[in-house]
Amino acid sequence: QKEVEQNSGPLSVPEGAIASLNCTYSDRGSQSFFWYRQYSGKSPELIMFIYSNGDKEDGRFTAQLNKASQYVSLLIRDSQPSDSATYLCAVIRDDYKLSFGAGTTVTVRA
Amino acid sequence: GAVVSQHPSRVICKSGTSVKIECRSLDFQATTMFWYRQFPKQSLMLMATSNEGSKATYEQGVEKDKFLINHASLTLSTLTVTSAHPEDSSFYICSARDTGLARDTQYFGPGTRLTVL
Repeated sequence: QKEVEQNSGPLSVPEGAIASLNCTYSDRGSQSFFWYRQYSGKSPELIMFIYSNGDKEDGRFTAQLNKASQYVSLLIRDSQPSDSATYLCAVIRDDYKLSFGAGTTVTVRA
Repeated sequence: GAVVSQHPSRVICKSGTSVKIECRSLDFQATTMFWYRQFPKQSLMLMATSNEGSKATYEQGVEKDKFLINHASLTLSTLTVTSAHPEDSSFYICSARDTGLARDTQYFGPGTRLTVL
């Protein structure tokens, strides 16, 4: 079992819709969770981090964490063409390295 | 968010030469930095962990004598690709660990695109 698994993409949504990205992790002791956005040819950019169960909102982004279910998600509201990118779910391991999911490529159709 | 810079952003070199890439944390101290490599349309691959004041630790299959890492200060780590060959052409990205917040967070530099002719 992979440490971090993301729902398979690609995900195509119309402009203005909600994009929903899901991620599960295997280590029940994990404490810190991240969503990075990576545009083609660029490095990953941290867009959200979440440590506590529940929702965390930042602008059009909402991260949700459920430690009992070992599940973390990212919602992008009012999706814009500029949101088209690959989104990486990541978890910090005990050795401080990041475990990444395979990424979900999102395309927002104008 | 915190800022991590890399220099150069792009480098083209001849086969057999060495290339040094710098990674700097600009507004926080980073005792730990990480070096990744990413080939086109592939996932990030962790190469090594760079620890300030001590030797780097390398992932399995990464040659430590080929990819020299030096973390001489709390804000600077360097990766030197020695005797580069065309197969070393890739996108090299560093990340820096920010422990100044309540929890660990890692920020990535903008990456260095290496092309070896």
